[in-house]
Amino acid sequence: GAVVSQHPSRVICKSGTSVKIECRSLDFQATTMFWYRQFPKQSLMLMATSNEGSKATYEQGVEKDKFLINHASLTLSTLTVTSAHPEDSSFYICSAPRSGGALDEQFFGPGTRLTVL
Amino acid sequence: AQSVTQPDIHITVSEGASLELRCNYSYGATPYLFWYVQSPGQGLQLLLKYFSGDTLVQGIKGFEAEFKRSQSSFNLRKPSVHWSDAAEYFCAVGSTYTDKLIFGTGTRLQVFP
Repeated sequence: GAVVSQHPSRVICKSGTSVKIECRSLDFQATTMFWYRQFPKQSLMLMATSNEGSKATYEQGVEKDKFLINHASLTLSTLTVTSAHPEDSSFYICSAPRSGGALDEQFFGPGTRLTVL
Repeated sequence: AQSVTQPDIHITVSEGASLELRCNYSYGATPYLFWYVQSPGQGLQLLLKYFSGDTLVQGIKGFEAEFKRSQSSFNLRKPSVHWSDAAEYFCAVGSTYTDKLIFGTGTRLQVFP
């Protein structure tokens, strides 16, 4: 199957700093990528849809200025958590379909564990 | 609004035993239904999906699921569980209108030898 990587796998930062998470499709081009947030013992919550060459589409309640998404190429989308606070601590996961949208088979990254002190 | 419920947070079975993980959905039209598995340190992997047609769907790793419209359910089954099946299982529902997936809260499967 297709491979999606995320980097870093875990990061610890101080409150007020910004953290960038990368999501790469290693063996296919992804015009669309999805960013999810997963709280302990809870489901994956869609944060935003990242579209190559255009602005991301954010879900209701997600702060666009706090969670900056850039999909600069067909293989890379980045999520930057700006001015991170402890409540931003979570598990962030990206996914991409080889073709099509969310209803096609998604290939998920292994996730990034963010801890904000 | 779409929603997915996985009633069982944690299930423990013995290796070789049969397995059924429950999933109930809420959606006005015919849903697109998925089961994904999340193993430790790995990304979610698609086990199977249902869009239309035969309500019994075969997936990878010996899993199957049955769509029951009358019960709004899409339960995942496996006749004989292997230790390597220990993981977190997520049911998801999708809509062609929103092109988004709504995930359930997951069921953690533990397998005893």
